[in-house]
Amino acid sequence: TQLLEQSPQFLSIQEGENLTVYCNSSSVFSSLQWYRQEPGEGPVLLVTVVTGGEVKKLKRLTFQFGDARKDSSLHITAAQPGDTGLYLCALRFNNAGNMLTFGGGTRLMVKP
Amino acid sequence: NAGVTQTPKFRILKIGQSMTLQCTQDMNHNYMYWYRQDPGMGLKLIYYSVGAGITDKGEVPNGYNVSRSTTEDFPLRLELAAPSQTSVYFCASSLRMGSPNPTNEKLFFGSGTQLSVL
Repeated sequence: TQLLEQSPQFLSIQEGENLTVYCNSSSVFSSLQWYRQEPGEGPVLLVTVVTGGEVKKLKRLTFQFGDARKDSSLHITAAQPGDTGLYLCALRFNNAGNMLTFGGGTRLMVKP
Repeated sequence: NAGVTQTPKFRILKIGQSMTLQCTQDMNHNYMYWYRQDPGMGLKLIYYSVGAGITDKGEVPNGYNVSRSTTEDFPLRLELAAPSQTSVYFCASSLRMGSPNPTNEKLFFGSGTQLSVL
């Protein structure tokens, strides 16, 4: 059984602060995706990372894939209230069906 | 462009009742999925379908049934509702090409159905 953990579970910060959230797996995975979910809506894909050590940037969001392909981080610079939401990592393991496994998410609140 | 459409948005059931959650997509995606989301638990895969006429169990299939008679529609059936099935249900679809390693596959989600079983 592959275990997937996201931390922290909750984060409340002031506008303008920086933050990092983490996604850790007990097993090596083939690829990882980060999704953002707003209240009352389904998750929306932010990024896919594939290569160990890979870094991707999306405006103020920086995504990093661990060298050992077992962990990832999402760093937000100068957070804004519009960043508020649930951030989910989703891993794809090399098992039957190659289905995505979602973590429990980090719920972020950015206060103005 | 509608994407993935789920109905209803909210529903309250009594224990033992049955219902069908509807899901339709207009993107001609081959893969479709049903997830449930419990507070703090992320998304768990209930069933998925790789194309019309083909369905398979996910991580938590007990108490549910699905069918995929067309590419567009993937309804989820609850036969005997139980309080443990209180959750938010999300349908999703994706276009998976022939690659054995679908690293860039992107899931498109509906806006969810909030179900309470009392």
